[in-house]
Amino acid sequence: AQSVTQLDSQVPVFEEAPVELRCNYSSSVSVYLFWYVQYPNQGLQLLLKYLSGSTLVESINGFEAEFNKSQTSFHLRKPSVHISDTAEYFCAVSNYGGSQGNLIFGKGTKLSVKP
Amino acid sequence: DAGVTQSPTHLIKTRGQQVTLRCSPKSGHDTVSWYQQALGQGPQFIFQYYEEEERQRGNFPDRFSGHQFPNYSSELNVNALLLGDSALYLCASSLYVKNTEAFFGQGTRLTVV
Repeated sequence: AQSVTQLDSQVPVFEEAPVELRCNYSSSVSVYLFWYVQYPNQGLQLLLKYLSGSTLVESINGFEAEFNKSQTSFHLRKPSVHISDTAEYFCAVSNYGGSQGNLIFGKGTKLSVKP
Repeated sequence: DAGVTQSPTHLIKTRGQQVTLRCSPKSGHDTVSWYQQALGQGPQFIFQYYEEEERQRGNFPDRFSGHQFPNYSSELNVNALLLGDSALYLCASSLYVKNTEAFFGQGTRLTVV
């Protein structure tokens, strides 16, 4: 069985400071990895994904995540956060080659950016 | 492109009643998955529909059932509602043969009283 652990339920940070949201997963098979963002009262938006190839993946709004197979981690980072990054972030995995309908999510990390 | 649309946005039901939630997938997508997101939790996979059949199912009781129509839209039905069924229900659409990205709707907030 697969599982996802997001180590921090809440992360407060000041604007323009760097941030790291941690994600570890457990799986006996190869996986795809995802970060989704959820703004208040909205659905989930895909932030970035790792399918194969380069272990460092980037989003268009400055976030990046690195797949570390030996540590089974996929931590999300941003060098300088904005107020608008305040949201809840979910890490998720799915079976490599399996239907992506079966996403396994972590419990989420609430990022709060303060001025 | 309207993206994934869900209706209604909010719903209040009484314990024991039945509810139907609806989802229209993103244009061009043929697969619909449903998730339940309880307060303070990550989404949990309920089931997935492709070609009008349930293809995968998570750990949810038979009270949760679904349907997919020929136009790929889908319904989630929950019978004999319990207080614990109160949650945000999310629909996600994708392409079955290109299973690398799912697009989510805004969700339906169900409150059972």
